[in-house]
Amino acid sequence: NAGVMQNPRHLVRRRGQEARLRCSPMKGHSHVYWYRQLPEEGLKFMVYLQKENIIDESGMPKERFSAEFPKEGPSILRIQQVVRGDSAAYFCASSPDGGGGPDTQYFGPGTRLTVL
Amino acid sequence: QKEVEQNSGPLSVPEGAIASLNCTYSDRGSQSFFWYRQYSGKSPELIMSIYSNGDKEDGRFTAQLNKASQYVSLLIRDSQPSDSATYLCAVKEGSYIPTFGRGTSLIVHP
Repeated sequence: NAGVMQNPRHLVRRRGQEARLRCSPMKGHSHVYWYRQLPEEGLKFMVYLQKENIIDESGMPKERFSAEFPKEGPSILRIQQVVRGDSAAYFCASSPDGGGGPDTQYFGPGTRLTVL
Repeated sequence: QKEVEQNSGPLSVPEGAIASLNCTYSDRGSQSFFWYRQYSGKSPELIMSIYSNGDKEDGRFTAQLNKASQYVSLLIRDSQPSDSATYLCAVKEGSYIPTFGRGTSLIVHP
């Protein structure tokens, strides 16, 4: 039973380029969450998606960042015109149940983005 | 604003001792509580979840919840060097997104 998959595991971009991070949830999971973790800091929620819907994007910067979870294929977090401050580990988590009762999130291995 | 507070540490304990990790939260409506372990450079791994007041034991791990005091803790018995990691507390209210603490670094020395 494959866990949450993320790729690439490491991504290097120059300032001004675009970064695309992909996340495939666990089999049977239809809820995806993206988090960012800066060095020496905790996990910061960015966006919560279900298939074809953004449920909560309150943690995502209004500019340059976008996310999608199409009907087919992985969820994608897109960062346009990256800046050095975007350098961080980006984790995706999935869950089988988005709310209403106890549910747990399982994390992927993360994508470590470095902006030169 | 919902807050989850953890002492950043590091908490240093000798091998074989009990490690006690603590977490307080601000939102009285919180219903679900989770402990994750994160090794350096790795992703968080769920190790315990607790939903009711009291203790929940799983192997060497015991989670303790006191909703009146808004306090949740994790005890690790017979600590091993392989337990050395950062432990993240996460708190969730119903369908809301969980809020994570910044984590406590644990060092178990031989």
